[in-house]
Amino acid sequence: QQQVKQSPQSLIVQKGGISIINCAYENTAFDYFPWYQQFPGKGPALLIAIRPDVSEKKEGRFTISFNKSAKQFSLHIMDSQPGDSATYFCAASINGGATNKLIFGTGTLLAVQP
Amino acid sequence: NAGVTQTPKFQVLKTGQSMTLQCAQDMNHEYMSWYRQDPGMGLRLIHYSVGAGITDQGEVPNGYNVSRSTTEDFPLRLLSAAPSQTSVYFCASARGVLNTEAFFGQGTRLTVV
Repeated sequence: QQQVKQSPQSLIVQKGGISIINCAYENTAFDYFPWYQQFPGKGPALLIAIRPDVSEKKEGRFTISFNKSAKQFSLHIMDSQPGDSATYFCAASINGGATNKLIFGTGTLLAVQP
Repeated sequence: NAGVTQTPKFQVLKTGQSMTLQCAQDMNHEYMSWYRQDPGMGLRLIHYSVGAGITDQGEVPNGYNVSRSTTEDFPLRLLSAAPSQTSVYFCASARGVLNTEAFFGQGTRLTVV
């Protein structure tokens, strides 16, 4: 049972375009929603995170949009660059963001073509 | 600044063998976790710890044991390896305060034949 559903599985975007990755969750007890970026052969690294009392958070070219009523959140990468090519995971946790118990989506492989 | 260090990076085991995956962090983090990553399934939590002497099961604990005798170390033991345990294993640590970043190691790629 996948508690956090992520789509699409893979995504190809042209350089300068907008990359959008979507996630949906079932458990309304989730209260922390991070996105992780993973390059081949490396461990995931935190990209950006949001709490459910905020509808949007922006850090540079990366924005999380959060819709609490729909139980959905998404990652937008503006002006996508070839260096953004990686696998992106959404995640969720409860208990005030206990980051030792993250529930991950299945991942999106992003390829940004030059 | 080492962060989270996992050893070994690669390992091949025969079915039925046992082994320990090592994880050490030098950030004095209270929270540590083990995840396995399989194609199309994301990362799934195996076991976690909220401090020395305290461990608990995650989503997929069967076939694995953990212990936390020190803040720094959180080894993962495979009791009797099975081909279904072929995966990439990641150790992570976090400070333990609300909504803090989890830092991941570089992973151990395990193949059970």
